[in-house]
Amino acid sequence: EAQVTQNPRYLITVTGKKLTVTCSQNMNHEYMSWYRQDPGLGLRQIYYSMNVEVTDKGDVPEGYKVSRKEKRNFPLILESPSPNQTSLYFCASSFIREVVNEQFFGPGTRLTVL
Amino acid sequence: SQQGEEDPQALSIQEGENATMNCSYKTSINNLQWYRQNSGRGLVHLILIRSNEREKHSGRLRVTLDTSKKSSSLLITASRAADTASYFCATVRSNDYKLSFGAGTTVTVRA
Repeated sequence: EAQVTQNPRYLITVTGKKLTVTCSQNMNHEYMSWYRQDPGLGLRQIYYSMNVEVTDKGDVPEGYKVSRKEKRNFPLILESPSPNQTSLYFCASSFIREVVNEQFFGPGTRLTVL
Repeated sequence: SQQGEEDPQALSIQEGENATMNCSYKTSINNLQWYRQNSGRGLVHLILIRSNEREKHSGRLRVTLDTSKKSSSLLITASRAADTASYFCATVRSNDYKLSFGAGTTVTVRA
């Protein structure tokens, strides 16, 4: 089944404790992206990747890191989480046919930073 | 910064009625995409319209795009209770590969 998976789905952590949220897709998509969703703000793009070893900042990259060592995986790293990073996080992937096409979204990771 | 802005923020309609929501954006785009989200779940792609297209249909969905006004509309005809969800527009700008989402329109369809 074609899908985007994220782990964990729920996470409660404390300020400063490094964490990684994994994202994996099985559709051979070139483009992968991370978003955060906060009430009243919609989705905001954190980072995106056009292909292996190619990553770029979205609109809200501060406090986050990503890597794209393999085409299928795009982990999101919070080196020192803070309470303002409490949010619902989505990973998504798509083909690039000259431009970014329809995004396939993962189920989301609800992160709480105390 | 958010590129797309949906209007209205919330919409409540009776089953069988049509629902229309609008999206305005600020810069030149390559394409505009509409998504649906059910209650905190992952977004589901509904329809993509390119900048050189003016109208597109998919089942009960009709999307229009007016690049001169930098706006798009999504029409859901003959709404059903299952259409209750939040709807988001997302723009892909002409000069990069970022996606910008609006804050969404929450649609409630009453039985």
